[in-house]
Amino acid sequence: EIVMTQSPATLSVSPGERATLSCRASQSVSSNLAWYQQKPGQAPRLLIYGASTRATGIPARFSGSGSGTEFTLTISSLQSEDFAVYYCQQYNNWPPKLTFGGGTKVEIK
Amino acid sequence: QVQLVQSGAEVKKPGASVKVSCKASGYTFTSYYMHWVRQAPGQGLEWMGIINPSGGSTSYAQKFQGRVTMTRDTSTSTVYMELSSLRSEDTAVYYCARDREMATITAFDIWGQGTMVTVSS
Repeated sequence: EIVMTQSPATLSVSPGERATLSCRASQSVSSNLAWYQQKPGQAPRLLIYGASTRATGIPARFSGSGSGTEFTLTISSLQSEDFAVYYCQQYNNWPPKLTFGGGTKVEIK
Repeated sequence: QVQLVQSGAEVKKPGASVKVSCKASGYTFTSYYMHWVRQAPGQGLEWMGIINPSGGSTSYAQKFQGRVTMTRDTSTSTVYMELSSLRSEDTAVYYCARDREMATITAFDIWGQGTMVTVSS
């Protein structure tokens, strides 16, 4: 099983500041990496797929980068609605054995 | 619009089984793989498995092999997830989620609202 490790577990950021979230895979997943945002009581929302492609309707302040085993989600200027938990997910395996990272909580500083 | 609507909350005793449904609408049901993901209270997301609504083939996470069964009914555009031999650790919100591309495994762009399953004696 490919293990996804996210860091930090919690990130305290002031509104308007930049947030950088990391995700590491235990083996290469190429660019088969997605990022999701989840707010309390809601289902996750797809932000990024293919490591760097924004999903439909996602603001340009969200960007993804990386390939292989190291990935980054950057939120360029945090808005109030961006405070949430973020998960990375790999979908590289066949037969499919998808895995999620443990999540990073972005909280207001 | 494209949406997934799940069945309501369930309370089960240890050792019992639960079957959660997920009804799809607004797109061609058989064209997109469907996944099940669960989230225990205060915990992260856990992928359980995938079903191809076209042929019904499945692949399950190792952790759930032997306890989970995913099926589909093309006449009603509904997928089902049944989990047996329930224990307290299975208490979680269960989500269905659709793959964003046809006939391939990528990221999940449409999610159901979630179904809370509580296992308690």
